Amino acid sequence: EVQLVESGGGLFQPGGSLRLSCAASGFTFSRWWMHWVRQAPGKGLLWVSYINGDGSRATYADSVRGRFTISRDNAENTVHLQMHSLRAEDTAVYYCVRGGSGTGLENWGQGTPVTVSS
Amino acid sequence: DIVMTQTPLSSPVTLGQPASISCRSSQSLVHSDGNTYLNWLQQRPGQPPRLLIYKISNRLSGVPDRFSGSGAGTDFTLKISRVEAEDVGVYYCTQATQFPYTFGQGTKLEIK
Repeated sequence: EVQLVESGGGLFQPGGSLRLSCAASGFTFSRWWMHWVRQAPGKGLLWVSYINGDGSRATYADSVRGRFTISRDNAENTVHLQMHSLRAEDTAVYYCVRGGSGTGLENWGQGTPVTVSS
Repeated sequence: DIVMTQTPLSSPVTLGQPASISCRSSQSLVHSDGNTYLNWLQQRPGQPPRLLIYKISNRLSGVPDRFSGSGAGTDFTLKISRVEAEDVGVYYCTQATQFPYTFGQGTKLEIK
């Protein structure tokens, strides 16, 4: 069974930094793209970033490019999202998502909430 | 970026009756590989989203056959043949044809 467990969320100051992690299990991790998608309170979904299987390629939403960095450790079956220069508008539940070729955003974690507030 | 527009944004439905949600993209979702990466997600209250249908009309394993998807190019539809209580939630269309992946605004399905 595919499992994705996010961690690292909490309350953070504007301008601060944090790192989200996602522990994956139940599949051959290195063969799959991984994404982060966020959902602000009471709002819709926003795709944030993706990384390919060997970690050689990543892409970001315009709203986070230059502030967020996605990475993965295939030996530890984890994907991370390093977030800098936090803004109030980064407040959201952040979901780790396994990306299938052809299925898009196939398997979702439960999410970890991030609140940016002074 | 590809803009995804869903209608309606709210859909009150009687149990056992059909429901339909439309999704239009601002440009063709046909990928250079010939596939159309238009997917549908369901988000039940308090839950993370769940993939229901991929590439327009393919149901993920375990998805009831009362859910069906159709369409081509820029116009797509999700249909529920007979709504059940467990179908309550928000439905999103999403495109995975090009980055950034984008989503419709969501359609809230509720029971009358």
